[in-house]
Amino acid sequence: AQSVSQHNHHVILSEAASLELGCNYSYGGTVNLFWYVQYPGQHLQLLLKYFSGDPLVKGIKGFEAEFIKSKFSFNLRKPSVQWSDTAEYFCAVTSPSGTYKYIFGTGTRLKVLA
Amino acid sequence: ETGVTQSPTHLIKTRGQQVTLRCSSQSGHNTVSWYQQALGQGPQFIFQYYREEENGRGNFPPRFSGLQFPNYSSELNVNALELDDSALYLCASSLGDRENYGYTFGSGTRLTVV
Repeated sequence: AQSVSQHNHHVILSEAASLELGCNYSYGGTVNLFWYVQYPGQHLQLLLKYFSGDPLVKGIKGFEAEFIKSKFSFNLRKPSVQWSDTAEYFCAVTSPSGTYKYIFGTGTRLKVLA
Repeated sequence: ETGVTQSPTHLIKTRGQQVTLRCSSQSGHNTVSWYQQALGQGPQFIFQYYREEENGRGNFPPRFSGLQFPNYSSELNVNALELDDSALYLCASSLGDRENYGYTFGSGTRLTVV
């Protein structure tokens, strides 16, 4: 069965620090990959997605993620975080072969100190 | 865009009772998916409805059921509530039953079973 692992459950950074959140998935076939963000009290919002092509994907708010197929990874990065990036981040995977459901990781709670 | 609207926002029920949660999909979206997000976990797929038909189901017992109406709004019904059903229930809508179209999530209904 597919699964998604997010190894960092809680991350605390100071403003302007660089961010990298890990995401690994277990599925041998072709996958679509996503990062969602959930700001306090708000709904899940799509940050970025990867379906095919350039493995370096740029999303909203300065976030990017790199798909490394050999490592089954899709890590999220941001060069310089802001206080407003404080949120919970979820990695998710789907298979384009027809299993139209998201498999989410357990999430990483990021706190950025001003 | 009106977004996805869920009601109620919060609900407290007693073990053994039944509950109905409602979701109004984003204008133009014909697909609705429901997810359960327990505390400290990522969202878990319950089921999806596409054009009023159940189009896939996750690992949830039959006491979790749903409906989709001609206007594409949806209900999630849970019978014989158990304490472990306490969670945030998320509705997501999309145009089509493939994630390529992109999902829009609602803010959720927080259900507490006592």
